[in-house]
Amino acid sequence: AQKVTQAQTEISVVEKEDVTLDCVYETRDTTYYLFWYKQPPSGELVFLIRRNSFDEQNEISGRYSWNFQKSTSSFNFTITASQVVDSAVYFCALSARNAGNMLTFGGGTRLMVKP
Amino acid sequence: EPEVTQTPSHQVTQMGQEVILRCVPISNHLYFYWYRQILGQKVEFLVSFYNNEISEKSEIFDDQFSVERPDGSNFTLKIRSTKLEDSAMYFCASSAEGLASTNTQYFGPGTRLTVL
Repeated sequence: AQKVTQAQTEISVVEKEDVTLDCVYETRDTTYYLFWYKQPPSGELVFLIRRNSFDEQNEISGRYSWNFQKSTSSFNFTITASQVVDSAVYFCALSARNAGNMLTFGGGTRLMVKP
Repeated sequence: EPEVTQTPSHQVTQMGQEVILRCVPISNHLYFYWYRQILGQKVEFLVSFYNNEISEKSEIFDDQFSVERPDGSNFTLKIRSTKLEDSAMYFCASSAEGLASTNTQYFGPGTRLTVL
């Protein structure tokens, strides 16, 4: 069985603050993929990043960065200098080789960025 | 940029009625999926489809659900006899390859199903 936990259900920050969204996962597979998706108020799911289990390099894309640590089974997401447009629900998800192609989602973190 | 499309955006139906949700996956993708999200809750996997057959399905995907690829572009989810608890946002997704490679699933905008 696989599981994704996003302990923070809701975070509120003021614009320009940095914010980190936590994600902890469980899987017995040694080959797996981790994802972050953004769900803005309009409701669609927007792909942000994919990480392979054998690649622990951190990644930065503009104001977004991701910290993958296998030792703690975590895949955290940091937004630097947050903006109001970052307000959304963010989902962490996992797919593992022996679980087929299905994505297992965490419960999501609602991020509210206030001006 | 290619994207997954879904119709209708919102469907209202009476309990016990059949509904068909439609999706057009990204054209060169081979794997198709349906997920649902009950309001305010997490996104849950329903079913995956490859090579004209179901490859995985969850416990939610019981006998009242079915999927079909009726032609080269559409991918449908049918709910035979809707229940109140089927009210949710239904997302279609597609990916170019399976887990062995990239397996990034791209999602459509969703169909909000309301069962009265």
